[in-house]
Parts: sequence; structure tokens; C-alpha cells
Amino acid sequence: GQSLEQPSEVTAVEGAIVQINCTYQTSGFYGLSWYQQHDGGAPTFLSYNGLDGLEETGRFSSFLSRSDSYGYLLLQELQMKDSASYFCAVVNNDMRFGAGTRLTVKP
Amino acid sequence: SAVISQKPSRDICQRGTSLTIQCQVDSQVTMMFWYRQQPGQSLTLIATANQGSEATYESGFVIDKFPISRPNLTFSTLTVSNMSPEDSSIYLCSGTTGYSPRDTQYFGPGTRLTVL
Repeated sequence: GQSLEQPSEVTAVEGAIVQINCTYQTSGFYGLSWYQQHDGGAPTFLSYNGLDGLEETGRFSSFLSRSDSYGYLLLQELQMKDSASYFCAVVNNDMRFGAGTRLTVKP
Repeated sequence: SAVISQKPSRDICQRGTSLTIQCQVDSQVTMMFWYRQQPGQSLTLIATANQGSEATYESGFVIDKFPISRPNLTFSTLTVSNMSPEDSSIYLCSGTTGYSPRDTQYFGPGTRLTVL
């Protein structure tokens, strides 16, 4: 079978750093993707990790450890507009999404 | 990249009827997918839309209930047949310009369906 675990909700203040963890169990694995979805909007791609280590894109970074079946998304210098749901997704022959983490950024 | 539009954006339908959702991409994409998402919940893959051949359905989804067409590289439709209130959900299509699921998927804005 396949499963992904991520926290359901995270709250942080503007300017802070937040880390959203994702653990997975899967029989096949190419990599881990992260998507952002604002309320009523379409999911948009943030990052993909195919190899162990850290990928940095501006204020967002994503990390993968294949041996630990674990990854995280790191958001720095939080802004109000970062309030959204964040989904990790296991990429194999297709893409399977986690339940999502709802991030609320407060002033 | 690819910009994806969907029609209709929302609809309210009576049980027992069918609704066809259209997905249009502004450029050619290699792979197209259909997902279902309950508000505030995860995305569940319904099927991969294959150009010129039958779609590949995920466990729990069947062609009779969710017929899919993909006549070319920029367009696909999903029909929700013989609807019941349990089909109320957001339906999203996505596409990728690569040949692998690891390639970035671009999503449409979704179709919010309510079945009465």
C-alpha cells in the first residue's frame, strides 16, 4: 500500500520560519513533490526532490531523505500570502497526494 | 509551462443526470490527469487521460461512471454519469509537458459540482 502523513494544520506569524513534514510509505518511489493551493484555487507546483538533500527556491526549500522516507518543506520569511494548503506528493508512475497541511500566517 | 482552463467552473445538478467537464490547455501537453477533491481535503486521482485510447482508471473509478475522452494533446473531457449527492466534489484536470509523472503538473482551476 501507500500512505503519506503530514500535519493537518500549522499556524505561524509573519516573518517566521515554518517547516511542514511529510513521511511516506510506498512500494515505488521516484521523488517527492510539493504543491501549494490557496482556497478556491488550483494547486501550483513548488518543488520536486528526486535525490536526497535540500533544494532551495527563494524563500521555499524542500528536503528529502530516502532512507528515512521523510521530507519537509521549509518556508522562510513568512508572508500573509503564504496562507494556503500545502500538499506533499509521492511521485512514482503517477502522483499521489498527502492530505495537505493548512498553513495560517498571522500578523 | 501550461495554462489550463475548465468549463464549467461550477454547476448544480439533479441526481440521475450527467455532467461533462471540459479541460482546455493553451499548449500541447503529453500527459493529462483528472482528480477529485473534497473541499479542504486531498486530491484523489481518478484517471490518466490517454490521447486516442481509453483512459487508465484508478482503483475505485470505472469508465461507465466517469467516461473520459482525450481527442488531442490540448483537450480532454470528464463526464460524471448518473450522478448522486456523493459525487458532489471539486473536479480538477492537470497536464504535464514531460513524459514522466515527476514532471511538473499544471492544474486547472477546478469544477465545483453539487448534486442535489
